[in-house]
Amino acid sequence: GQNIDQPTEMTATEGAIVQINCTYQTSGFNGLFWYQQHAGEAPTFLSYNVLDGLEEKGRFSSFLSRSKGYSYLLLKELQMKDSASYLCAVSGSNTGKLIFGQGTTLQVKP
Amino acid sequence: NAGVMQNPRHLVRRRGQEARLRCSPMKGHSHVYWYRQLPEEGLKFMVYLQKENIIDESGMPKERFSAEFPKEGPSILRIQQVVRGDSAAYFCASSGAGDQPQHFGDGTRLSIL
Repeated sequence: GQNIDQPTEMTATEGAIVQINCTYQTSGFNGLFWYQQHAGEAPTFLSYNVLDGLEEKGRFSSFLSRSKGYSYLLLKELQMKDSASYLCAVSGSNTGKLIFGQGTTLQVKP
Repeated sequence: NAGVMQNPRHLVRRRGQEARLRCSPMKGHSHVYWYRQLPEEGLKFMVYLQKENIIDESGMPKERFSAEFPKEGPSILRIQQVVRGDSAAYFCASSGAGDQPQHFGDGTRLSIL
């Protein structure tokens, strides 16, 4: 079967660092994506990993271990505007369709 | 800045009516995906289309739902004889190729009375 797990909710403090984990079991793997979604808005693309290792992009970094079926999204220097849902998604086939986790709702507090 | 355009943003229908949701992909993109997001749930893949072709419809309900992406014009997701359970946000995404990041539209929020 296809399964993607991530925590439902997380809380962190403004200026801090937070790590959002994602584990996956899919029949195929063509890459892992992280999206940010504010309430009532479209998901916006954050990062893409297809090879093992860390991808850094400004305050956001994403890590992938294919052998462990594991990824994390790291957010540094948290800002209030980072309060949103963070969606982990796997492309499990060469058609590009994405399998999404339930999303992690992050609340940043002052 | 022509991103993925979806319309309408909000659509209200009565049970038994038809709903038509439109999606114009980002300029230069020829791959279109439809996803459904039920309240308090994650995004679920429905269908993947290229111009005039349905590539993968494994997520589409067997009845009442259909999708097309004609040679000219937007992609259409059509829901016939809507029921209360069809109430959801329907998102369209596009990409330049199957392995490139998908960019999402703002979605259509469908409410069934």
